[in-house]
Amino acid sequence: GENVEQHPSTLSVQEGDSAVIKCTYSDSASNYFPWYKQELGKRPQLIIDIRSNVGEKKDQRIAVTLNKTAKHFSLHITETQPEDSAVYFCAAPWIGGGADGLTFGKGTHLIIQP
Amino acid sequence: EAEVAQSPRYKITEKSQAVAFWCDPISGHATLYWYRQILGQGPELLVQFQDESVVDDSQLPKDRFSAERLKGVDSTLKIQPAELGDSAMYLCASSLETEAFFGQGTRLTVV
Repeated sequence: GENVEQHPSTLSVQEGDSAVIKCTYSDSASNYFPWYKQELGKRPQLIIDIRSNVGEKKDQRIAVTLNKTAKHFSLHITETQPEDSAVYFCAAPWIGGGADGLTFGKGTHLIIQP
Repeated sequence: EAEVAQSPRYKITEKSQAVAFWCDPISGHATLYWYRQILGQGPELLVQFQDESVVDDSQLPKDRFSAERLKGVDSTLKIQPAELGDSAMYLCASSLETEAFFGQGTRLTVV
């Protein structure tokens, strides 16, 4: 199946600085790469996604980049704020299996220091 | 705003007992997923339905877990017998095209 690796597991940044989280995937047929944010005790919520026909997508302070050749994608958060503190998960579908259920990374605990 | 509904929110059960979780996806979403999330880890796909058909259950421990979506709408996930290692959050999600919307989950504790 799909193998998704996510780094780092914990990331602490000063408020106002940028944060970058990186993921790699194994299924070369994967075509959709979402990022989810999960606050403590809450459900994962989609914050941004990118499809394989584009290399970058931005939404205000959040951006995602994709390198299909290297099979990696990254989440960039600029001008971090306290409310950005959460666990972030990358994911990719396992197209090779005939379905498209998402395989998630292990998560990055982002801590915004005041 | 439409949401995925799950019940119960919390469940405590003794090991070797049976337990069941229910999910009602967003109306019109043909695809339904059950995920298990162990504390501190990412969600792990257990089973995926397309309408009433299972399209992927390769990660479902079939000796004790079962899932059904008889009419292609709501779904039930069952564990029998429950084991201590089954303690986790069980998340249901549904999608129309690609974005998966998650429910609040059922927190299962096996004692």
